[in-house]
Amino acid sequence: KAGVTQTPRYLIKTRGQQVTLSCSPISGHRSVSWYQQTPGQGLQFLFEYFSETQRNKGNFPGRFSGRQFSNSRSEMNVSTLELGDSALYLCASSLLRSGGPTGELFFGEGSRLTVL
Amino acid sequence: GQQVMQIPQYQHVQEGEDFTTYCNSSTTLSNIQWYKQRPGGHPVFLIQLVKSGEVKKQKRLTFQFGEAKKNSSLHITATQTTDVGTYFCAGDFGNEKLTFGTGTRLTIIP
Repeated sequence: KAGVTQTPRYLIKTRGQQVTLSCSPISGHRSVSWYQQTPGQGLQFLFEYFSETQRNKGNFPGRFSGRQFSNSRSEMNVSTLELGDSALYLCASSLLRSGGPTGELFFGEGSRLTVL
Repeated sequence: GQQVMQIPQYQHVQEGEDFTTYCNSSTTLSNIQWYKQRPGGHPVFLIQLVKSGEVKKQKRLTFQFGEAKKNSSLHITATQTTDVGTYFCAGDFGNEKLTFGTGTRLTIIP
């Protein structure tokens, strides 16, 4: 069974540009979450999608957005990039999203974004 | 806000020594999960604790969930070089998202 796939793995952008990151979850997983990981802040929750609907959102500015497609693949977009957006962006998929205990998260390798 | 505090931030131990990391929340958790992230890797699920006072073991790893469901610990007995990495707890406050602790980076001195 293929794992969570994130593309691209590495990218370099300049301030003011925008970036789109892609995540393909494990087959059958309908929930996709995005996290930002930086050395100082650890893993910060961005948002979570389930069946094409954003169900949860973290405390990030509106420059960070996402969406999920009918095949559960998800994308996140960051507009007007700032130096502080440099981070590892992790996508995680989950099988259990029925309102019960949060299911195990399966993380992808991440997309490492560097903003110059 | 709902936060999960994790200590210590760093831990250096001699190979063979024990290691413990602690997580604390100001409010009751629905459940707590633990993840391990190897250097250069991504977080990998270790375990989920749901019940008050729950204790689970995985070989040399022992996980505990406090009676009040506000704290948790991970204890590794007789560390090995393969234990190197950052250990994260992640709390579920019943709002269908996980709030990660800041992690404890474990380094092993051979």
